[in-house]
Amino acid sequence: GAGVSQSPRYKVAKRGRDVALRCDSISGHVTLYWYRQTLGQGSEVLTYSQSDAQRDKSGRPSGRFSAERPERSVSTLKIQRTEQGDSAVYLCASSSPGADQGDEQFFGPGTRLTVL
Amino acid sequence: ELKVEQNPLFLSMQEGKNYTIYCNYSTTSDRLYWYRQDPGKSLESLFVLLSNGAVKQEGRLMASLDTKARLSTLHITAAVHDLSATYFCAVDFYNAGGTSYGKLTFGQGTILTVHP
Repeated sequence: GAGVSQSPRYKVAKRGRDVALRCDSISGHVTLYWYRQTLGQGSEVLTYSQSDAQRDKSGRPSGRFSAERPERSVSTLKIQRTEQGDSAVYLCASSSPGADQGDEQFFGPGTRLTVL
Repeated sequence: ELKVEQNPLFLSMQEGKNYTIYCNYSTTSDRLYWYRQDPGKSLESLFVLLSNGAVKQEGRLMASLDTKARLSTLHITAAVHDLSATYFCAVDFYNAGGTSYGKLTFGQGTILTVHP
């Protein structure tokens, strides 16, 4: 079946603007995650949500990053007032708690965000 | 602090040689994942290690987990060019109450290049 997809794949934004990144997860998966991947700093989780509730806004900087889940298998990561330091690849992942493989997460292809 | 460290960060190998990538982590966990990432692509799951002493093998790659030492290894046997990629380990840490945080903490990644 279809895996995790993300759109757009590439996004260029002017500093100070808001951006929204979309993730379509695997049907039936309960938990959706957003990670930010940068060279040298690896990957860090930004937020994740189980079912309809968003939990945990760990990561940096809190407040400007939020995730919405308009549908069970769709998440939108919103970044407010973008800064140049937000330039990175944003990865979405989903998992199913009943999986045998220890809540293994399946990743999308990522959205490369460049803030000018 | 939840920390995962890989070494080496860069690995240049000759075809046919063997080598090991190490992944150390800071605190309690018995859930560790290895991923492969090709340039411009997403993270592909390689191994899921869910207990102390777990060993899994797929082709020329073998992964193991020692939860007491908080160490996982990814061993490459008789490397071939197709193995060139970035390899990440990721840990699902537990809090003081023994509950998983439910999100992955990634190592920095090891960029592997296999040349003739």
